[in-house]
Amino acid sequence: QVQLVESGGDMGQPGRSLRLSCAASGFTFSRYSMHWVRQAPGKGLEWVAVISFDGSNEHYAESLKGRFTISRDNSKNTVYLQMNSLRTEDTAVYYCARDRSYYDRTGYNVWGQGTLVTVSS
Amino acid sequence: DIQLTQSPSFLSASVGDRVTITCRASQDISGFLAWYQQKPGKAPKLLIYGASTLQSVVPLRFSGSGSGTEFTLTISSLQPEDFATYYCQQVNNYPLTFGGGTKVEIK
Repeated sequence: QVQLVESGGDMGQPGRSLRLSCAASGFTFSRYSMHWVRQAPGKGLEWVAVISFDGSNEHYAESLKGRFTISRDNSKNTVYLQMNSLRTEDTAVYYCARDRSYYDRTGYNVWGQGTLVTVSS
Repeated sequence: DIQLTQSPSFLSASVGDRVTITCRASQDISGFLAWYQQKPGKAPKLLIYGASTLQSVVPLRFSGSGSGTEFTLTISSLQPEDFATYYCQQVNNYPLTFGGGTKVEIK
């Protein structure tokens, strides 16, 4: 079945780096843009980043530009989120998500289970 | 960035009630709006896309309307399993953005 599985969440101090992974299965990964969305404890959803189906285009939330980088490996059906210079406010559950359409933006009908990143001194 | 303002942020209702949640965009997003339902500890679930198209297997008591800058999500008859938090998301322009959420609780 269609599935996204995140990994790489961890606990650590401010300033460190972390790379999250999201492994996809059950669909043609290379046809879809892939997104990351995060949710701080007790807070709402925050869109983080997107990468196009072939990796040629990326967009980021303004507040995260320069610290976070999204990438993908279509041969491994995996999307990544490299997070540098982590801050306490980056503490959140990070979800990867896929749009229901591969040719348009409509909304995410496929989500991973989420991976928790905790940044604390 | 396009800001989405949801109202109310909290709603107390009874089973069987008709519930309406509003999402206002800071600029015209045409019909590029999605609605999600999220329950504690779970990933969000897509309810509606294109402002008014029901995602498959979502119950017909859910409906969406609106275009431009004002949108609504309506639950025609609230069921026990509908108590959750609801979010709107604009997918018109990058960066994509979510509304602040509406928590629907049991009265």
